[in-house]
Amino acid sequence: EPEVTQTPSHQVTQMGQEVILRCVPISNHLYFYWYRQILGQKVEFLVSFYNNEISEKSEIFDDQFSVERPDGSNFTLKIRSTKLEDSAMYFCASRRGGGVDEKLFFGSGTQLSVL
Amino acid sequence: GQNIDQPTEMTATEGAIVQINCTYQTSGFNGLFWYQQHAGEAPTFLSYNVLDGLEEKGRFSSFLSRSKGYSYLLLKELQMKDSASYLCAVSSRPRTDKLIFGTGTRLQVFP
Repeated sequence: EPEVTQTPSHQVTQMGQEVILRCVPISNHLYFYWYRQILGQKVEFLVSFYNNEISEKSEIFDDQFSVERPDGSNFTLKIRSTKLEDSAMYFCASRRGGGVDEKLFFGSGTQLSVL
Repeated sequence: GQNIDQPTEMTATEGAIVQINCTYQTSGFNGLFWYQQHAGEAPTFLSYNVLDGLEEKGRFSSFLSRSKGYSYLLLKELQMKDSASYLCAVSSRPRTDKLIFGTGTRLQVFP
């Protein structure tokens, strides 16, 4: 079965450094997302992306965050200047179409640790 | 506000039946998803309910009552591999594209 792939699986960085989390969504999918999960807490929505632009973002997704789809396959999340509280598991997700019952396919996540 | 509640942890015995409840209060509703998440892995889709009633899919069934803001996931003939977290998530599309997740229920199945 096709899957969403994320790299790296673990990323350790110093506070204030920039990180880029990478994702390859399923090839025929059109809608892309980033979610995150702080240890012991809920999965939280960060941003959705469709037709080469952000379609929705949460209050978490401030100016330190950006997303990009640089080519036809990759979808990246950049955090410009990481903070301790950015430590979390970051999940990329995609779905094929716009139907309300369209399920999200999640990647296995990148565990980001900010020291 | 948006609120989705699930029990934090549950335990059950292999071969048994377990019901994981989810109650929600959200601004708008257009369906409820259940996802399974094994430790360190991606959440994987289990079910979607938008109409009241029971949806059965093999050993797993999911129920929805929109008037009560309530859903449950029923797992029958439990197997050790069912030990995982079960995430309830509400969709309010097209008003918003995001899924709102509950905290997840960690299920441990014992032999």
